[in-house]
Amino acid sequence: RKEVEQDPGPFNVPEGATVAFNCTYSNSASQSFFWYRQDCRKEPKLLMSVYSSGNEDGRFTAQLNRASQYISLLIRDSKLSDSATYLCVVESFQKLVFGTGTRLLVSP
Amino acid sequence: DAGITQSPRHKVTETGTPVTLRCHQTENHRYMYWYRQDPGHGLRLIHYSYGVKDTDKGEVSDGYSVSRSKTEDFLLTLESATSSQTSVYFCAISLSGGPNYGYTFGSGTRLTVV
Repeated sequence: RKEVEQDPGPFNVPEGATVAFNCTYSNSASQSFFWYRQDCRKEPKLLMSVYSSGNEDGRFTAQLNRASQYISLLIRDSKLSDSATYLCVVESFQKLVFGTGTRLLVSP
Repeated sequence: DAGITQSPRHKVTETGTPVTLRCHQTENHRYMYWYRQDPGHGLRLIHYSYGVKDTDKGEVSDGYSVSRSKTEDFLLTLESATSSQTSVYFCAISLSGGPNYGYTFGSGTRLTVV
């Protein structure tokens, strides 16, 4: 079983839609959680950290459920520029472990 | 800008040859990491360093070695390249001295072993 699991997608949505991605992780001792965004043929870039209380950054909301070992990312009012791969990232034994990513395609 | 650069950006090499990839940072960060990214596997940690001459193995270290003789440079060497090492290699630095605030990545090196 992979340490961090994500649905690879792709998720095809129209502009303006709301889309949610989920991720599960196996190490119950993990302390830090993130969502990264990766554009085609580019490096991953930090989108946002994820906290137990939930956090929001503009159209993006991240949630953590420690009991279920589950992380989510909600994108509201999708833009064409949101098309990318979204990586779920979890700290495990003082290093970051990356999910394989969920691909999002936003169409006009 | 975290000031992290990788070189070369692209390389094609022959099976059995040694290859060295360089990661250079300008801001004196202590922790540096090498990952490889392959379809279906995501990013996997090869080796990491927590200071000059202090390195350790990651998840997929077989066939790779690293060196860190200066804070600013972290070198990844493929001792005898194989086709299975065709991949995109990313270097990363930790801005906080650990994983708690995430990592910043270089632009990557696209390596093809023929």
